[in-house]
Amino acid sequence: DTAVSQTPKYLVTQMGNDKSIKCEQNLGHDTMYWYKQDSKKFLKIMFSYNNKELIINETVPNRFSPKSPDKAHLNLHINSLELGDSAVYFCASSSDRDEGMNTEAFFGQGTRLTVV
Amino acid sequence: AQSVTQLDSHVSVSEGTPVLLRCNYSSSYSPSLFWYVQHPNKGLQLLLKYTSAATLVKGINGFEAEFKKSETSFHLTKPSAHMSDAAEYFCVVSDRRGKLIFGQGTELSVKP
Repeated sequence: DTAVSQTPKYLVTQMGNDKSIKCEQNLGHDTMYWYKQDSKKFLKIMFSYNNKELIINETVPNRFSPKSPDKAHLNLHINSLELGDSAVYFCASSSDRDEGMNTEAFFGQGTRLTVV
Repeated sequence: AQSVTQLDSHVSVSEGTPVLLRCNYSSSYSPSLFWYVQHPNKGLQLLLKYTSAATLVKGINGFEAEFKKSETSFHLTKPSAHMSDAAEYFCVVSDRRGKLIFGQGTELSVKP
């Protein structure tokens, strides 16, 4: 009974291609995120959506475009892929704050993107 | 601005000995702090979280962490390491928008 699921798990593609990664959560959460983990395992947020609205948009090339058709889905589309885009991309979701404190995020298994 | 610093990039312990993974945070307001674990080629799993209810927080798999405001620390401990604890551990602080800010990670190795 997967809480946050993303597909595909592995993605190998050539430079210049366009690809998408899909994410779905069945936790009833209002907020979804995309994080990028680089080769040194450093994790950094890319985007955050709350109820289909963009909340956080970090300094990410505009080749990356998130799309949230409903609050259970947040897909990531990447145009004109570059070698430097190779990384593991994690989708996550969280509920609204609890008593003024932030609740934890639940993560998907990650998508390992390799651009050749 | 919120930030976390994990003081060790790699920690190695023997099975059955205590584990200590160190984390210092910086926050302009009362922080939400978390420890996540990532096993090889896996996603991130929450170990525990601090949300101001109690300074000593117990998590899964025997891990716990103590929030010390005077030291701005949130170190992760476990009394006795198990081989299955070998993984990458991340100390995390959350900002007011729910954005998670990750530390650099600490790789824990457990020797038999």
